Amino acid sequence: DAKTTQPTSMDCAEGRAANLPCNHSTISGNEYVYWYRQIHSQGPQYIIHGLKNNETNEMASLIITEDRKSSTLILPHATLRDTAVYYCIVFNAGGTSYGKLTFGQGTILTVHP
Amino acid sequence: SAVISQKPSRDICQRGTSLTIQCQVDSQVTMMFWYRQQPGQSLTLIATANQGSEATYESGFVIDKFPISRPNLTFSTLTVSNMSPEDSSIYLCSARRDTNTEAFFGQGTRLTVV
Repeated sequence: DAKTTQPTSMDCAEGRAANLPCNHSTISGNEYVYWYRQIHSQGPQYIIHGLKNNETNEMASLIITEDRKSSTLILPHATLRDTAVYYCIVFNAGGTSYGKLTFGQGTILTVHP
Repeated sequence: SAVISQKPSRDICQRGTSLTIQCQVDSQVTMMFWYRQQPGQSLTLIATANQGSEATYESGFVIDKFPISRPNLTFSTLTVSNMSPEDSSIYLCSARRDTNTEAFFGQGTRLTVV
């Protein structure tokens, strides 16, 4: 699976949009971009995933560039409860990963009052 | 998504002993995995728990240290054997129905070895 690069940490004001970038320049055509987050002392929580098109759900939006080499997770109105480590993961559903997810170091997002 | 229950949620164990962690999913899943998260670190995959056959271990992890069982499509156990303080970590169970759906995680077992 392709490697991802994320900033180590980011800050965001409560009520503002949080935009978390992820670079995945070696992504291949059949690899998905998944986002998870891990709030302190909890297990990772699925947020959203996409292949080519932008995706939106009740938690967030995922914007994938046309060349698919980078993506941005957008939390439209960040709250204090969104403070967490956010992981961007590239996953090949049909490859030899057999469903395994490989976690990088992620981005520590801190939402300030 | 499904719900994963892990037991125990935390434990403090003596070195040289073993601890078995249970993972129960509230619906049948195709794949189950075990991860380790050392203090201040990201998640590292230990192994894939295969139903009815031996688990598939990642590089650096061996069956003698981390024996895994998966007797059916909703349950798995991970044993941490002959523990040392270096085994102090959070151990997480994960499952997914298939490769086209998201993986979900338990809340983890926080293990401290003294």
